[in-house]
Amino acid sequence: GNSVTQMEGPVTLSEEAFLTINCTYTATGYPSLFWYVQYPGEGLQLLLKATKADDKGSNKGFEATYRKETTSFHLEKGSVQVSDSAVYFCALSFNQAGTALIFGKGTTLSVSS
Amino acid sequence: NAGVTQTPKFQVLKTGQSMTLQCAQDMNHEYMSWYRQDPGMGLRLIHYSVGAGITDQGEVPNGYNVSRSTTEDFPLRLLSAAPSQTSVYFCASRLIPTGGSEKLFFGSGTQLSVL
Repeated sequence: GNSVTQMEGPVTLSEEAFLTINCTYTATGYPSLFWYVQYPGEGLQLLLKATKADDKGSNKGFEATYRKETTSFHLEKGSVQVSDSAVYFCALSFNQAGTALIFGKGTTLSVSS
Repeated sequence: NAGVTQTPKFQVLKTGQSMTLQCAQDMNHEYMSWYRQDPGMGLRLIHYSVGAGITDQGEVPNGYNVSRSTTEDFPLRLLSAAPSQTSVYFCASRLIPTGGSEKLFFGSGTQLSVL
């Protein structure tokens, strides 16, 4: 079946540090891949997505590349800010519309100044 | 704004009983979905809907039924509860995007125990 595995949190970084949150997936076929972010007290918000192998999604300084050979979609940011503190969810969808979403457990990121 | 409202918050059932978990949203969202979250696992999609009268199966649909007669409501029915259905259930909704942030709104969850 389809599943998503994320690295365990919490991840604690200082401002301007480099961020990597690992995500690997298991899927039949060729899913679309997503990163969602949840800021305190808010719903999940789409951060970036990639719909086919070797695609790179990017938004707000975050990037993730769809790696079919390693079944991975790791989230990276070169210099984190305090305002990036949130819970990050990796997800896959087995339809192109992105409405059949399967989520990982979420990784909490805490950035201190 | 009420957002996404789930009821009940807690429920205990005996094996074989039936029940309906309610989900309502007041944001005129086309998309609604049900997830279950088990200890140590991510959210698993049960069923979803992209509009009134339209439903589709997710990853783990067996043992659950849904219907979408209105835009606002998306109830989840357990016809004959089993201990394997003990879980926390979340309802979620969002607009079907034509662009923008695609924000997904979750309810507060229903904790279900089947004895």
